[in-house]
Amino acid sequence: AQTVTQSQPEMSVQEAETVTLSCTYDTSESDYYLFWYKQPPSRQMILVIRQEAYKQQNATENRFSVNFQKAAKSFSLKISDSQLGDAAMYFCAYRSLNYGGSQGNLIFGKGTKLSVKP
Amino acid sequence: KAGVTQTPRYLIKTRGQQVTLSCSPISGHRSVSWYQQTPGQGLQFLFEYFSETQRNKGNFPGRFSGRQFSNSRSEMNVSTLELGDSALYLCATGRGNTEAFFGQGTRLTVV
Repeated sequence: AQTVTQSQPEMSVQEAETVTLSCTYDTSESDYYLFWYKQPPSRQMILVIRQEAYKQQNATENRFSVNFQKAAKSFSLKISDSQLGDAAMYFCAYRSLNYGGSQGNLIFGKGTKLSVKP
Repeated sequence: KAGVTQTPRYLIKTRGQQVTLSCSPISGHRSVSWYQQTPGQGLQFLFEYFSETQRNKGNFPGRFSGRQFSNSRSEMNVSTLELGDSALYLCATGRGNTEAFFGQGTRLTVV
């Protein structure tokens, strides 16, 4: 069975600075998807970034980028130029490839609570 | 484009009662998954419905059930509620191997 581990329950960053959130996972599959989701106090889960395992290039979305190390099974999220609105819970998630239209289930880490100091 | 809609947003129920939660997916999304979020256990997968059929199921007792209608809307039902069922229930919808989009959740409190 696949597992996802986030070893940092809480992190803090100064506004405008850079922070990196860690995530490791365990799987025997060779093709899969990895995601970072953000959950602000409103509780709505918002997709931050996604990575397909077969792509060697690290995904980026504006101020958000990942460091995907497939052999090490590591998937860290870097937030540059941190903003007050980035304060939230961040969840790393794994999903196997699925066929036929269904999505299968997301396996989540326990989350990292990010605080942003003005 | 409307997002994923979950109703109701908040619910208070008494132990032993049953509850039904609803999820309306984004137009065109035929996969609907349900997750339970609690402070202790984190986010746990309940089940997924696709084309009105349950495709995947998590490790929850039979008191948790669901269904999907022909318009892809899904409901989940919890019977004989227990205090431990108090949680945020999240619905996620998607299409194939694209990302899942989440609703705002239903906060269930069992007293």
